[in-house]
Amino acid sequence: DAKTTQPTSMDCAEGRAANLPCNHSTISGNEYVYWYRQIHSQGPQYIIHGLKNNETNEMASLIITEDRKSSTLILPHATLRDTAVYYCMIPSNTGKLIFGQGTTLQVKP
Amino acid sequence: KAGVTQTPRYLIKTRGQQVTLSCSPISGHRSVSWYQQTPGQGLQFLFEYFSETQRNKGNFPGRFSGRQFSNSRSEMNVSTLELGDSALYLCASSGGTRGAQETQYFGPGTRLLVL
Repeated sequence: DAKTTQPTSMDCAEGRAANLPCNHSTISGNEYVYWYRQIHSQGPQYIIHGLKNNETNEMASLIITEDRKSSTLILPHATLRDTAVYYCMIPSNTGKLIFGQGTTLQVKP
Repeated sequence: KAGVTQTPRYLIKTRGQQVTLSCSPISGHRSVSWYQQTPGQGLQFLFEYFSETQRNKGNFPGRFSGRQFSNSRSEMNVSTLELGDSALYLCASSGGTRGAQETQYFGPGTRLLVL
């Protein structure tokens, strides 16, 4: 799987936008960028994915740079319930997701 | 649609015993993957089953095994339990046609404690 690099931790004020970056300089042309999150002791939850274009759903927006070497997950109005570990991943066709350390987002009141 | 369910949610075993965990995927999903999560190693892939066949395998010893039934439900078994097997075991289901390159839906996990 293509390697991803994320900051270890980030803080965000409640109600503000949380912008979580991810570098994936070795991504190939047909590989998607996926974001999952894991709230403490629960199963990971799918957030969003994209290939080239920016994507938005009810949970978040995903901004992918034109060269596709990096992306940013945006939670537009972070709440305390968004406190979690966020994983950026580039799944390959090996049938497995490789989870790195992710970014621990702490939303503060 | 009901989500992925895992049973039991909590389990306590002693060293040397064996354990079987169960996972029911989302209706219509044909792929089931299993992951182990420990504080030290994070989330690690165990294996994936698709249409009753193991399609991919991670780097775990042979004590870890699994199977999938015709209704896509899956079980994983750990024999001769060791203290280090204490972990949260997660399963994920997906449609199955594109492997990990499709959205994975995770269950709540089974927390296993080995004493």
